[in-house]
Amino acid sequence: SYEVTQPLSASVALGQTARLTCGGNNIDSKNVHWYQQKPGQAPVLVISRNGNRPSGIPERFSGSNSGNTATLTISRAEAGDEADYYCQVWDSSTVLFGGGTELTVL
Amino acid sequence: EVQLLESGGDLVQPGASLRLSCAASGFTFRSYAMSWVRQAPGKGLEWVSGISGSGASTYYADSVNGRFTISRDNSKNTLYLQMNSLRAEDTAVYFCAKGEMEFQLPNDSWGQGTLVTVSS
Repeated sequence: SYEVTQPLSASVALGQTARLTCGGNNIDSKNVHWYQQKPGQAPVLVISRNGNRPSGIPERFSGSNSGNTATLTISRAEAGDEADYYCQVWDSSTVLFGGGTELTVL
Repeated sequence: EVQLLESGGDLVQPGASLRLSCAASGFTFRSYAMSWVRQAPGKGLEWVSGISGSGASTYYADSVNGRFTISRDNSKNTLYLQMNSLRAEDTAVYFCAKGEMEFQLPNDSWGQGTLVTVSS
């Protein structure tokens, strides 16, 4: 069965760029969606279909998908970006989430 | 504004049944796919089940297939999850999430969740 993998944790200095990865076999053949979840809150869609930003999501959030890795890029990181980030794909009539990456803003 | 309000979470014993509901408003409910996603305490997101707008197509994670049933009442703008033979590992916050008209993903709106605790 298909699997998507994410690093458990990542850190970024305030104002710098964070790149969060989501790995999977030929993941570029799939649409990857990204969600941000802060403690005690519901997830929020931040990137859909690899690189589309929903309304209300800052331009600092962008996404790409190539080969075996999809990437969520957060530019000019802010303290409020500290959260868990999950990638999501559709495969064989099921939905798969990555295990999530906890982003710390230093 | 899209609103999703889950209810029905409770503390139940192993082997018991429970039905969750998700009341939707702010969009044409019958036109959109819907999903249930859960999150065990301190853990990541786990997709549970999805259903098409008409209700004709349903999808399940292997971990709940045969025990859980997703359904919807488009006349009441409500999504359901019937959970039978509950296990300790089903303990989680259960979120309902809105999909797209043609596809299950992405989930562009989420409820705040309802807590299900399975314990003796």
